[in-house]
Amino acid sequence: DTEVTQTPKHLVMGMTNKKSLKCEQHMGHRAMYWYKQKAKKPPELMFVYSYEKLSINESVPSRFSPECPNSSLLNLHLHALQPEDSALYLCASSHPLAGTKGEQFFGPGTRLTVL
Amino acid sequence: TQLLEQSPQFLSIQEGENLTVYCNSSSVFSSLQWYRQEPGEGPVLLVTVVTGGEVKKLKRLTFQFGDARKDSSLHITAAQPGDTGLYLCAGERVDDQGGKLIFGQGTELSVKP
Repeated sequence: DTEVTQTPKHLVMGMTNKKSLKCEQHMGHRAMYWYKQKAKKPPELMFVYSYEKLSINESVPSRFSPECPNSSLLNLHLHALQPEDSALYLCASSHPLAGTKGEQFFGPGTRLTVL
Repeated sequence: TQLLEQSPQFLSIQEGENLTVYCNSSSVFSSLQWYRQEPGEGPVLLVTVVTGGEVKKLKRLTFQFGDARKDSSLHITAAQPGDTGLYLCAGERVDDQGGKLIFGQGTELSVKP
């Protein structure tokens, strides 16, 4: 299984809503990532989890809250978002050990629209 | 300051033409990946290069890693409409082993029939 899955595919939410994005991989990878991507721009790193522990937070606003319940799952909890948070949210995973070439494998993304 | 300069940012060509996309940096990379992304989908890994001077071929796509591991190129021969998409180079710098990928700005390729 060489796939990263993400749900939902599309999400529309109001600024007062609470929602969660989910990501799953079964490749045995121990590093997982959340990215935000605006149209025709490269992905911007938000969070990195390594061995289920948060290792990088790229100064992301607290209205985004990541969670890594186990080595296969990664969640992103959303609360009180702003319209400018509308974007494609991508999950990725990689094997973090040295010598594994830094390859990251991306999921299909969740298209988030904040009204 | 953009750590990985990708060019051109936009490219519109006719079917059958050849093209080259470049990624350049002043930093040394331990590895460099090329991804292709279609609208509304996640980036799909095309290739990883790790050795200076390495050349990899994937059908009509040829990838090269510079000798000093600071630059890379993607050459497409006889482009087809199915090659249309956003091409991204990304790499892991040798002085940053924290798992962060540095991305180029992307090249939006449109191949017209």
